[in-house]
Amino acid sequence: GAVVSQHPSWVICKSGTSVKIECRSLDFQATTMFWYRQFPKQSLMLMATSNEGSKATYEQGVEKDKFLINHASLTLSTLTVTSAHPEDSSFYICSALNPVVGNYEQYFGPGTRLTVT
Amino acid sequence: AQKITQTQPGMFVQEKEAVTLDCTYDTSDPSYGLFWYKQPSSGEMIFLIYQGSYDQQNATEGRYSLNFQKARKSANLVISASQLGDSAMYFCAMREGGSEKLVFGKGTKLTVNP
Repeated sequence: GAVVSQHPSWVICKSGTSVKIECRSLDFQATTMFWYRQFPKQSLMLMATSNEGSKATYEQGVEKDKFLINHASLTLSTLTVTSAHPEDSSFYICSALNPVVGNYEQYFGPGTRLTVT
Repeated sequence: AQKITQTQPGMFVQEKEAVTLDCTYDTSDPSYGLFWYKQPSSGEMIFLIYQGSYDQQNATEGRYSLNFQKARKSANLVISASQLGDSAMYFCAMREGGSEKLVFGKGTKLTVNP
C-alpha cells in the first residue's frame, strides 16, 4: 500500500519557539494533503487542506498565521507551528490523497506528538 | 448536527468472538463514501474498509465486513474472530460528493479480552 511518512515522530519544544513537521508521500504523487490535530481520547480534527503549488485552505477556527502550511512539491507538505504554546501540545497527523485510487482514500502518516513546555 | 455518530465509546469482546461497531451518518448527498480506520495506541491510522454509496454489495476485507444499510444511514463494522491485536480505537469516516475531505466520528475503543 501507499506509504506516507512524517518527521519528526515526536518533538518537545519550549514555549515561544516554532516547530516544523514534514509529511512526505513516498511512493506516489499527492496533489492534496491534509493536516489533522488529535487531542487525547478525541477524534481527528481537520485543520487544513494543503494543495501543491497553492495556498492551503484552513478550516474554520484554525489560525492560518499560527499554523503555516507549505506544499512545495508533489511529495512534501510541511506544517509549522509558530510561537508554540502549551495549548498547542497535541498529536498532529497528516494524510495524502492518492488521485489514482478512485475512492478518494487518504493515506495517513504515523503522526507527530508535539509537547510544548 | 453531527455527520458521523458513533454511539459506543467503548466495547469489550472475548477473543475469537465477533463484534459490531456502530456508525450512523447524515448526508443529503446521494454520492458519498464511508471508511473505517483503526488507530492502535501507537497513533497511526490504519485503513480497514471502504463502502461507496452506490455499491450494491456490502464491503468485505478479510475479517472485516461493513453492514451497510442505506435507508437507515448506518455503516456498522463487523469484526469476526476477534484477536488481541484488534484492541484499538476505531473511527468511522465519511466523504461527501466531490469533496476530498473526511469527516470522522468520535471513535469507539475496542478491547479484546483473552
